Amino acid sequence: QQKVQQSPESLTVSEGAMASLNCTFSDRSSDNFRWYRQHSGKGLEVLVSIFSDGEKEEGSFTAHLNRASLHVFLHIREPQPSDSALYLCAVSHDTNAYKVIFGKGTHLHVLP
Amino acid sequence: AQTIHQWPVAEIKAVGSPLSLGCTIKGKSSPNLYWYWQATGGTLQQLFYSITVGQVESVVQLNLSASRPKDDQFILSTEKLLLSHSGFYLCAWSRTGANTEVFFGKGTRLTVV
Repeated sequence: QQKVQQSPESLTVSEGAMASLNCTFSDRSSDNFRWYRQHSGKGLEVLVSIFSDGEKEEGSFTAHLNRASLHVFLHIREPQPSDSALYLCAVSHDTNAYKVIFGKGTHLHVLP
Repeated sequence: AQTIHQWPVAEIKAVGSPLSLGCTIKGKSSPNLYWYWQATGGTLQQLFYSITVGQVESVVQLNLSASRPKDDQFILSTEKLLLSHSGFYLCAWSRTGANTEVFFGKGTRLTVV
């Protein structure tokens, strides 16, 4: 059974400082990785998807995947207070892309 | 453009009462549909998915059921609510095929008292 863990649980950064979030997974054959953001009481907003080792950039969000080390990172460049939210990592395998496992999330707080 | 609509936005229900949550996707034919649940402070868990009308697969057993009566409609229900059913329910859709994005609705906040 795939396990997805995120760290840290909570992260506080100052406005404009880079924020880095970590997601580890247990199944090295996984090949679908997504980062989502959830503002309090709201639905999920997809930030960036990555399907192969390396980096993928979407605006101020960059995902970095290293399947050998079982890590996928999210870097947020110059975060704003409006970026304060719960960030969720989602992992699935292409053979059953319909089953998605989420991590517990990282609460990001961006101070003005 | 595709839109996803969930109803109701919020619900307060008594233990033992029935529940029906709905989700409609407009602007996309034959979408894959999903139900997710998030307990307060808990992990987002996938409950069900459906690839086609009339077919629903269960991922996590929570004494809930789901149905897809129409191509664009996904229903989550139970005849008897438990306190543990409280939480945030999200409906989502994706296109068919690999590596497709999953798009989420705004969710339903359920409080069971």
